[in-house]
Formats: sequence, C-alpha cells, structure tokens
Amino acid sequence: AQSVTQPDIHITVSEGASLELRCNYSYGATPYLFWYVQSPGQGLQLLLKYFSGDTLVQGIKGFEAEFKRSQSSFNLRKPSVHWSDAAEYFCAVGPPRDDKIIFGKGTRLHILP
Amino acid sequence: SAVISQKPSRDICQRGTSLTIQCQVDSQVTMMFWYRQQPGQSLTLIATANQGSEATYESGFVIDKFPISRPNLTFSTLTVSNMSPEDSSIYLCSVEGRGEGYTFGSGTRLTVV
Repeated sequence: AQSVTQPDIHITVSEGASLELRCNYSYGATPYLFWYVQSPGQGLQLLLKYFSGDTLVQGIKGFEAEFKRSQSSFNLRKPSVHWSDAAEYFCAVGPPRDDKIIFGKGTRLHILP
Repeated sequence: SAVISQKPSRDICQRGTSLTIQCQVDSQVTMMFWYRQQPGQSLTLIATANQGSEATYESGFVIDKFPISRPNLTFSTLTVSNMSPEDSSIYLCSVEGRGEGYTFGSGTRLTVV
C-alpha cells in the first residue's frame, strides 16, 4: 500500500537553529516526492520535488531534501530557520503527472525567538 | 507552474444548504483534483475531474454529496451539498503543472453552522 509517514506531529526549534523534518514513504513504483508548506489560513506551496537524478534537491526559501532509497526517506532540512518558517509541512508521494498524490499527516513547526 | 484562482476564499453556510466552489486555471490541464482538509488534518483526495467525463471519486466520497463539473480544460466546480457541521473544512483544488509538480489553489475555508 502506498503511504507517507511523518513521525513528528510538532517540532519546536529556536530561530537560527538547524531543522530536519522526517518523511518516510511506501510506494510500489519509483517514487516521486514532494514537500509542501502551508502557512496559517493559506493554501499549499511547493517547496521542492524529487523526480530523478541528484538525490539532494534544492528548493525555495533555503530548504533542501535528500532522497535515500535504502531508507525510503525524503527528509527536509534547513541550516538556519527564520520565524517566518513557522507553518505546517507536508510530505507527499506519487506520480509526476496527472494522478493523485498521497500526503503525510503533516508536521507543525514552531519557532522560538 | 500553473496559477489557480479559487473562490470563494471562505464562507459560512447554514446546514442543509449547498455551496459551489470554483477553480480557474491559467492554462489547459488534463486533470483537476479536489481535496478536503479537515481541521488540523492532512489533505484527503475527494475526486479527480477529467474534462468530458464523469469525475472519479475516492472511497468515502459520493457524487450526490460532492457533485463536480468540468466543462472545459481550465475550469472546474465542486459543490458541497446538503451541508452539515461535519463538512466544515478547507477545500482545495489542484492541478499538475507539466512535470513541475502539483499546484494548489488558495483554498476555500467552509464553516457550516
């Protein structure tokens, strides 16, 4: 069965500290992986995606993610968080085109001043 | 990537009534996807709308409750029918942007009283 697991419901980090959000997936074919961010009251914004090639993917807002096939993981990282990064983060897996993608339950990021 | 205009952005509705949500895309797309995000939850796919054919509904969602129209390649509507407080959610439409990942509308925040 296809699924996405985000084991951390909430994460709190201090402003300026590094961040890693975990994502594990189960997918029958070659996975196409996405990270989205949702600020309060907003829609979803695509941070980055992995289709193929280099397993370290750079995204917007200083985020990056690393695809590790052996661990079925696609963790999101940022070296130094800003207060504006406080939001809900969703990992998703699916095909790259014209089919549904499956979302994890999300990780809510809190930033301490 | 595609740009989606979704409206209304929010509404408060009486139980037993219906609300129609519209999504307009700035380019032609094959499929449009409708999601529901219940309070504090992740996204759940309601249905996939393909132009010229009936929408395909996910388990737990039925056409009588969530009728969908897809009159052309840039527009779709989702109606939430005979609403109850349990329908209070954010509803989002999504399209795939030619291999650039899935783009989401800004969402419709529905409250049923």
